[in-house]
Amino acid sequence: EAGVAQSPRYKIIEKRQSVAFWCNPISGHATLYWYQQILGQGPKLLIQFQNNGVVDDSQLPKDRFSAERLKGVDSTLKIQPAKLEDSAVYLCASSFEPGTEAFFGQGTRLTVV
Amino acid sequence: EDQVTQSPEALRLQEGESSSLNCSYTVSGLRGLFWYRQDPGKGPEFLFTLYSAGEEKEKERLKATLTKKESFLHITAPKPEDSATYLCAPLSGTYKYIFGTGTRLKVLA
Repeated sequence: EAGVAQSPRYKIIEKRQSVAFWCNPISGHATLYWYQQILGQGPKLLIQFQNNGVVDDSQLPKDRFSAERLKGVDSTLKIQPAKLEDSAVYLCASSFEPGTEAFFGQGTRLTVV
Repeated sequence: EDQVTQSPEALRLQEGESSSLNCSYTVSGLRGLFWYRQDPGKGPEFLFTLYSAGEEKEKERLKATLTKKESFLHITAPKPEDSATYLCAPLSGTYKYIFGTGTRLKVLA
C-alpha cells in the first residue's frame, strides 16, 4: 500500500515570498490533515479536511495560510507571504475516517530566510 | 483547555535497561489515545491506539497502558534501534489529535 506522498521535501525561501506544498493521501482515506512541526515540538494541527470539506481550521493563520482539497483527494497548503517564524516541517497525514490512526508523509522542511 | 504533557523530555538508556515514558493529559471527551514514533527527518509512525482505561497493547519491546489521566509507554530491554522520539496524541471529542512535545529516547549500545 502506497503511503502519504508529499512534495517538495525541502524548500528555502526569503521572507515575504510565497510557497506551496502538495500532498497525496493514501487511497480511500477520507480525512486529511496538515500539521506544522517546529523543531523540538510536537505537531500542531493547521487544518483538517473530511473529503473536500473543512472540519477544523481554528489554528490556521488565515491571513497568510490557505489550503484546499479538490475532489476530496490531493491537497495543497500555501503560505503567502512567508515570515521567519514559519520555518518548520509541514506534515500531511491521512486516515480512513476520523478517530482512526493517521498515517503521515515524510514532511516538507521549510526554511524562511 | 486541552493539554498534553510528556515526560521526561529526553532519556538515555543503556541497551537492555528498561524504563517508562509518561503522557499526562487533560482532554475533553477523550475518544482514544495514540502513540507514535518519529525518527529524525521522517513523519510520525503509528504504534498503538488505546481506547479505555485499563487497556494495554504490546508490540515487540513496547507496551502501552492507559488510565483516566495518563498513559505509559513501557520499553523492555531496549535496543539501539529503539532510539527515536515518542509522541503521544490524545484524540479529543471533536476528533482532533492533540500531540505532546515528545520524549527523545537514546539507547546506547
